[in-house]
Amino acid sequence: AQKITQTQPGMFVQEKEAVTLDCTYDTSDQSYGLFWYKQPSSGEMIFLIYQGSYDEQNATEGRYSLNFQKARKSANLVISASQLGDSAMYFCALRFIQGAQKLVFGQGTRLTINP
Amino acid sequence: GAVVSQHPSRVICKSGTSVKIECRSLDFQATTMFWYRQFPKQSLMLMATSNEGSKATYEQGVEKDKFLINHASLTLSTLTVTSAHPEDSSFYICSARYGGTEAFFGQGTRLTVV
Repeated sequence: AQKITQTQPGMFVQEKEAVTLDCTYDTSDQSYGLFWYKQPSSGEMIFLIYQGSYDEQNATEGRYSLNFQKARKSANLVISASQLGDSAMYFCALRFIQGAQKLVFGQGTRLTINP
Repeated sequence: GAVVSQHPSRVICKSGTSVKIECRSLDFQATTMFWYRQFPKQSLMLMATSNEGSKATYEQGVEKDKFLINHASLTLSTLTVTSAHPEDSSFYICSARYGGTEAFFGQGTRLTVV
């Protein structure tokens, strides 16, 4: 069964510091995709970063980078130089490559950036 | 990025009535749309996968007759909550794909049944 786990219900970080949000997954598929989304209080889901299982390099998008350790089945999100606007819920998601390619979400981590 | 529009953003309805939520892809043709439900402070739970011109595929435990999904065109999918009850109150959000890697989400609909 496909499963994705975020073990940090909440994180508190000082502004301008870097923060790492943990995500581990379990799948028997060889080909899959990993996503991170940000959900502010308004409810919209904002795509942050994507890592394919065959990508050899860690994905980066601006201040976001994904620390992908395939053997350990982890895909941690690193946010550098955090800003007050980064305060939100963050969800890690696993996408099946086969079939409808649906997303399975982790439980989420609520990140709070303190001034 | 591509735009997915979801309406209404908020709706309050009386118990026993039906509510329709629309999900539109504005600048691309979405062959597949997904409907999620999110309870407060919880994660997104996939309810169903909707393909244009065919019946939706529902996840285990989701009542097909309660949550009617129609994907009539490549740009529109609708979710109808039939005979709504207070326990159906939740945040419903759709997403759409046209290929590529990411799924684009609508803004979500907060349903309150009184």
